[in-house]
Amino acid sequence: GEDVEQSLFLSVREGDSSVINCTYTDSSSTYLYWYKQEPGAGLQLLTYIFSNMDMKQDQRLTVLLNKKDKHLSLRIADTQTGDSAIYFCAESPNQGGKLIFGQGTELSVKP
Amino acid sequence: DGGITQSPKYLFRKEGQNVTLSCEQNLNHDAMYWYRQDPGQGLRLIYYSQIVNDFQKGDIAEGYSVSREKKESFPLTVTSAQKNPTAFYLCASSMLLKETQYFGPGTRLLVL
Repeated sequence: GEDVEQSLFLSVREGDSSVINCTYTDSSSTYLYWYKQEPGAGLQLLTYIFSNMDMKQDQRLTVLLNKKDKHLSLRIADTQTGDSAIYFCAESPNQGGKLIFGQGTELSVKP
Repeated sequence: DGGITQSPKYLFRKEGQNVTLSCEQNLNHDAMYWYRQDPGQGLRLIYYSQIVNDFQKGDIAEGYSVSREKKESFPLTVTSAQKNPTAFYLCASSMLLKETQYFGPGTRLLVL
C-alpha cells in the first residue's frame, strides 16, 4: 500500500542540527521530496533526491536515502528560528500523477 | 515573476452553495493538481490534469468538480454534495505529470 510516515514533532535549540525522519512504502518511487510549510502558507519545495542516490547536500540541507529500509531523512545544519515550520516528506510513485505525503513534522526552534 | 496564484485567500460557503476556487499559473506547466489539507494531516489529492481538456479523479474527488479549458487555469468547484468542505486547499503544477510539483499559497474554505 501507499503510506508515508513521519514523527509529528521535533524541538531543537537554535544553532543545533535538526534531523527529520520519514519512512515510505512504494519502492517504485522515482523521486522523494521535502517541502516546508509556514503557518497559513502553501508548500515550498526545499529539496528532492532521485531514488538512485544515497545523499544530496544543498547548503544547510542534507538528504540521506536508505532505499533498502525505505528511509529518508532531512538534516538541517545550524538550525535557525526561521526554520520553524512543518516539514513534509513526499514520494512520487510510478502509478498516477500524485505525490503521497506524510503527516508532516512540526519543527520548533527555541532561541 | 513566474508562479502560481490562488484566490481568494479565504472563502466562506453557506450550506447548499457551490463555491469555486481559482488557480492560475504562468510557469507554462502542462500538469496541474488540487490537494486538500486538514489539520495535522498530509495532503490528499482531489483532482489532477495532465493537459488541457483532460482531468482525472484523485483519492477524494467526491463532492468536487474541475475544468481545464486553458493551460494556465485549473479552477476547483466545491459542490453542495461535499459535506465536510472546511479545509485548506492547495493547487500545484508541474512541467509534466510525475515531475516536481510547485505549490500555490492556498485557499482556506470555511463554512458559515
